[in-house]
Amino acid sequence: DGGITQSPKYLFRKEGQNVTLSCEQNLNHDAMYWYRQDPGQGLRLIYYSQIVNDFQKGDIAEGYSVSREKKESFPLTVTSAQKNPTAFYLCASADEKLFFGSGTQLSVL
Amino acid sequence: SQQGEEDPQALSIQEGENATMNCSYKTSINNLQWYRQNSGRGLVHLILIRSNEREKHSGRLRVTLDTSKKSSSLLITASRAADTASYFCATVGAGSYQLTFGKGTKLSVIP
Repeated sequence: DGGITQSPKYLFRKEGQNVTLSCEQNLNHDAMYWYRQDPGQGLRLIYYSQIVNDFQKGDIAEGYSVSREKKESFPLTVTSAQKNPTAFYLCASADEKLFFGSGTQLSVL
Repeated sequence: SQQGEEDPQALSIQEGENATMNCSYKTSINNLQWYRQNSGRGLVHLILIRSNEREKHSGRLRVTLDTSKKSSSLLITASRAADTASYFCATVGAGSYQLTFGKGTKLSVIP
């Protein structure tokens, strides 16, 4: 998956719980992205970061938070405010094109 | 917002046939990209075509871009069972860093 590592592959969230999805890249890319994919659907942008210590909301940021303290890392927290978190989450880094991780499937217990 | 819309939503062909998928978009773009996704996996970049280009080739892939019609097509020639996957177009708007994805075309190649 081109130097992007996402973990865990599967994650289960209890009601009222915050969970954090990990994304690490060794491609030396400045830009990183988080997308959400629902079954049979395209990708929707949650957050993106063009540079360390800076990030912007995408189309569906409500109920999610991110940090970008290091160039290599862009973790995504799914908060308890996200009422429908069950989805496939994809992280990517980019030069002009996107390099994706293998994804995290998040489900609600 | 999903700018790209692929057509058809699903396509089933016999091995050896050609597969054509189309993508339409709404606003001016810097470039358009095609990605492939195998079930349960991340997306893999296939090809990028810039707004001033009309056609690009990569192996068995041929991409065209018509900016006047705001559309693109992806042709896979001599398809193989291993080409079975979902294919997405993504656009980068003029002056933007974001890629906006369509909902994809699910291609099934029957051996």
